[in-house]
Amino acid sequence: GAGVSQSPRYKVTKRGQDVALRCDPISGHVSLYWYRQALGQGPEFLTYFNYEAQQDKSGLPNDRFSAERPEGSISTLTIQRTEQRDSAMYRCASSVGHLYGYTFGSGTRLTVV
Amino acid sequence: DAKTTQPPSMDCAEGRAANLPCNHSTISGNEYVYWYRQIHSQGPQYIIHGLKNNETNEMASLIITEDRKSSTLILPHATLRDTAVYYCIVSNTGTASKLTFGTGTRLQVTL
Repeated sequence: GAGVSQSPRYKVTKRGQDVALRCDPISGHVSLYWYRQALGQGPEFLTYFNYEAQQDKSGLPNDRFSAERPEGSISTLTIQRTEQRDSAMYRCASSVGHLYGYTFGSGTRLTVV
Repeated sequence: DAKTTQPPSMDCAEGRAANLPCNHSTISGNEYVYWYRQIHSQGPQYIIHGLKNNETNEMASLIITEDRKSSTLILPHATLRDTAVYYCIVSNTGTASKLTFGTGTRLQVTL
């Protein structure tokens, strides 16, 4: 597609429920990144993939968070047993390679009630 | 990755050049300087990056000092649409994926 597509745009979930956030990167982009952004703060790195391989997951807050990119294209960020502190904007970005700029999607606003 | 220091906010009159400074005194030889901006609630937008030479593209110019300990992003003719938070990020090629955004500089362009 023309840009990085994220779905859903908004997600409200009850505490304890699992959520799956989807990212469809720009076609041909090798690298895919997940970030989380709290209000008034800069984006915080979560994890990234080159093709289908998860290269770095050091930013995932705890083991409730996981991500996959099984075919090297679409990626899913899953949060199990959501907590209120998980509420944030989750942003996905893709890139041709690490020396090139990232293109970010519009994000998914997650609210845990 | 080296840490960066930016002023929290700046103002610029429309039509004038906006010069946004960034200090990165602990930068190492294989680290690039990246600039992104974030307009309101949109996703961050890549602007430019460089290693040691000055760089220019259709959006901005990046001036890196000879010792590479600081840099300046220049928007030559700022418009109201350039009002945004500007992030200066330093990252090496091996871990460029882990861009650390910090809190950036909030640039307000005024009439």
